[in-house]
Amino acid sequence: EAGVTQFPSHSVIEKGQTVTLRCDPISGHDNLYWYRRVMGKEIKFLLHFVKESKQDESGMPNNRFLAERTGGTYSTLKVQPAELEDSGVYFCASSLSLAKNIQYFGAGTRLSVL
Amino acid sequence: DAKTTQPPSMDCAEGRAANLPCNHSTISGNEYVYWYRQIHSQGPQYIIHGLKNNETNEMASLIITEDRKSSTLILPHATLRDTAVYYCIYTNFGNEKLTFGTGTRLTIIP
Repeated sequence: EAGVTQFPSHSVIEKGQTVTLRCDPISGHDNLYWYRRVMGKEIKFLLHFVKESKQDESGMPNNRFLAERTGGTYSTLKVQPAELEDSGVYFCASSLSLAKNIQYFGAGTRLSVL
Repeated sequence: DAKTTQPPSMDCAEGRAANLPCNHSTISGNEYVYWYRQIHSQGPQYIIHGLKNNETNEMASLIITEDRKSSTLILPHATLRDTAVYYCIYTNFGNEKLTFGTGTRLTIIP
């Protein structure tokens, strides 16, 4: 069984550019989460999808971040325009509904904004 | 945000049991204790969870005190591959966000 996959593994962009991160959850997992760790900080929650609906987006830092999950399968996280403080590692996780909140994480996308 | 307290770092000799403590004095009655770990350059990995009874799986054991204000994760025979940052988290059983603290950096020494 394939795990959570994230693409790209590393992205280097200049300030002001746009970047789109992709997450493919484990097949059949209705819950999809985005987290990030910025330099020297703790891993922080960004948002939670249940199928295609945003269940909780309380962690989204500002309106430069847009997450989508069309069709309830893969998800994208777009940062537009990127700022220096957006640099960090973005993790995606997925879980089954009614599955004891066991979240399976991808390896992350390392975003470097120069 | 749910807050836990863990020692910042610990060492353990290879082959010995690693005992990682966590204080979660503000946990409420319907919240579970979860342990995750993050091995360098990988995403966090689920280890074990529990409510009030001790739990064991193929990876570890979880001992929760009777008052539920603290717990200990036990890796019975630590290997070098267990070197990682270990996070103790408490949250509701439903599919909710995980609140990560600073964790404990466990180093297994050959």
